[in-house]
Formats: sequence, C-alpha cells, structure tokens
Amino acid sequence: EPEVTQTPSHQVTQMGQEVILRCVPISNHLYFYWYRQILGQKVEFLVSFYNNEISEKSEIFDDQFSVERPDGSNFTLKIRSTKLEDSAMYFCASTQSTNTEAFFGQGTRLTVV
Amino acid sequence: GQQVMQIPQYQHVQEGEDFTTYCNSSTTLSNIQWYKQRPGGHPVFLIQLVKSGEVKKQKRLTFQFGEAKKNSSLHITATQTTDVGTYFCDPTYDKVIFGPGTSLSVIP
Repeated sequence: EPEVTQTPSHQVTQMGQEVILRCVPISNHLYFYWYRQILGQKVEFLVSFYNNEISEKSEIFDDQFSVERPDGSNFTLKIRSTKLEDSAMYFCASTQSTNTEAFFGQGTRLTVV
Repeated sequence: GQQVMQIPQYQHVQEGEDFTTYCNSSTTLSNIQWYKQRPGGHPVFLIQLVKSGEVKKQKRLTFQFGEAKKNSSLHITATQTTDVGTYFCDPTYDKVIFGPGTSLSVIP
C-alpha cells in the first residue's frame, strides 16, 4: 500500500535553531499538507500546497514557517527560529486531488528545548 | 466553512459493547469523511460518504449518511481493544479539518 514517509521520526532542537522536517508524499499525489498536534490536543491544519505554491495557510503558519518542494519527491516544512511552543507532532499528508482520501505520514515529533 | 458537532466527546465501553458516534451539521453537506487516530498514531482515513442515505460497512464498522445529508454516524459492533482511538468526522472538501472527535476507550 502506498504511504507517506516522514523523516526524522524525532527531532530535538535548541530554541532559536532552524529545523527542517521532511516528507515524501505518495508519488502520484498533487496536493500536500502539513499539520501539527501539540501533546493532548487536536490535530491542527497548518498549510496546503499545490502546483508549487501555497494554496491555503492557517493563522498558525506565520513568517517563521515555510514550505518547499525542492525536487519531484520531497516536501519540506522549515521552522526558522524554533520556540518552545513549537514542540509538537508534525504530520505531512497528501491527496491525489481535492475531496479524496488524505494519506498521513507517521509524523515527526519535534521537541524544542 | 462548514461546521459540524460531533458527540459524544468521550466514550468508555466494556469490550464487546457497541459504540456509536454522531456528527451533526446545521447545513447540508456535500460529503463527509471519517478518520481514526490511535493513541500516539497518525490519522487514518476510514471512509467517505457522498450520497443521501448512504450506508457503508467495513467489518464491524457501519457508516451512515443521513437522508438530508446533515448528519452522519459511525457505529462499531462488539468493540475490541483495537478500536481504541479518536474518531473524527470531516465535512470539508479541500483539506481535512479535525474537530475534537470522539475518544473511545475500551475496557477489556
């Protein structure tokens, strides 16, 4: 079965450092997403990406965040200067088109110390 | 955007009992999706319902979409410990939006 893969599974970083979370969406999917889940809370939408540009972003996705599809397979989320409150599980997802099944990766647990 | 209310927020059942979660909207929905997230896991797509009155089954899980397309339900027959997790309904078209869902605990 096709799957979305995320690396690393766990990242520990010092406050103020930049981090890049990586995702490989399913190969024939065209829409890509990032979500985050703070421990004990619900999954929150961050950003959607289509045709090499951001199609929608939430209020959480401020100037500290950026996304990129540097090549034909990877989709990355960069946090420029991490804060303690950025500690969360970050999920990448992809869909073939709108209104279709979303496949989620296993997540990257980001811990900012 | 379309908003739905999902009830109950928490449900504790004895293993073998049935479980139902409901999703209610004040507006007509074009479709609804159901997802499950196990504790410590990632969301997993379960089903999409599109047609009025649609009923779909996956083993012990039965999904329904109301005739007016304003409500939906997920019913699990004879729960097992593997059913533990949070179940989410999602009425959105272009991205998944997670509400608080229904958190199911199964007591063995």
